[in-house]
Amino acid sequence: KNEVEQSPQNLTAQEGEFITINCSYSVGISALHWLQQHPGGGIVSLFMLSSGKKKHGRLIATINIQEKHSSLHITASHPRDSAVYICAVRGNDYKLSFGAGTTVTVRA
Amino acid sequence: EAQVTQNPRYLITVTGKKLTVTCSQNMNHEYMSWYRQDPGLGLRQIYYSMNVEVTDKGDVPEGYKVSRKEKRNFPLILESPSPNQTSLYFCASRGVGNTIYFGEGSWLTVV
Repeated sequence: KNEVEQSPQNLTAQEGEFITINCSYSVGISALHWLQQHPGGGIVSLFMLSSGKKKHGRLIATINIQEKHSSLHITASHPRDSAVYICAVRGNDYKLSFGAGTTVTVRA
Repeated sequence: EAQVTQNPRYLITVTGKKLTVTCSQNMNHEYMSWYRQDPGLGLRQIYYSMNVEVTDKGDVPEGYKVSRKEKRNFPLILESPSPNQTSLYFCASRGVGNTIYFGEGSWLTVV
């Protein structure tokens, strides 16, 4: 069983809709990262969280350390948000463990 | 501009022919790491380095070597590549602010 579970695996939304991606993990962590990977392969870091909530533009990330759960929200989704979103957790040993990713498709 | 640069970006090689994938960062980051990404398996960590001359194994180190002789460079060495090492490889670095910067990826095919 993977230490990091993401849901849903795939998600299709209409432009403008609110999107939520969930990440649950089973180990103690020092930080959690949300990553975005566009077709073609490049990976960009969206957020690093160790507690609370962060917001950047239309993206919001939250983490609940006690429940070992994080969510990534996309407000007013746009076709350019279509990508794979990956949750990664960093343990105290500096290793990173990754979720399988959520493929998001936003239709115009 | 903050950058992690990998080379080569695309490579087709033959089984057993040693190859090195270079990785260089310009942000003076102490932490660097290598990952591979495979369909159905996602991203997995190969090796990481906390600083010069300090390296450690990730989850899938078999068949790979690394070195960290200087802070900016962290090459990945495949001494005797095999077809099961065909994959998309990413190098990354992370600094004090903890944002991770990824290279553009290296597509490696071993035939």
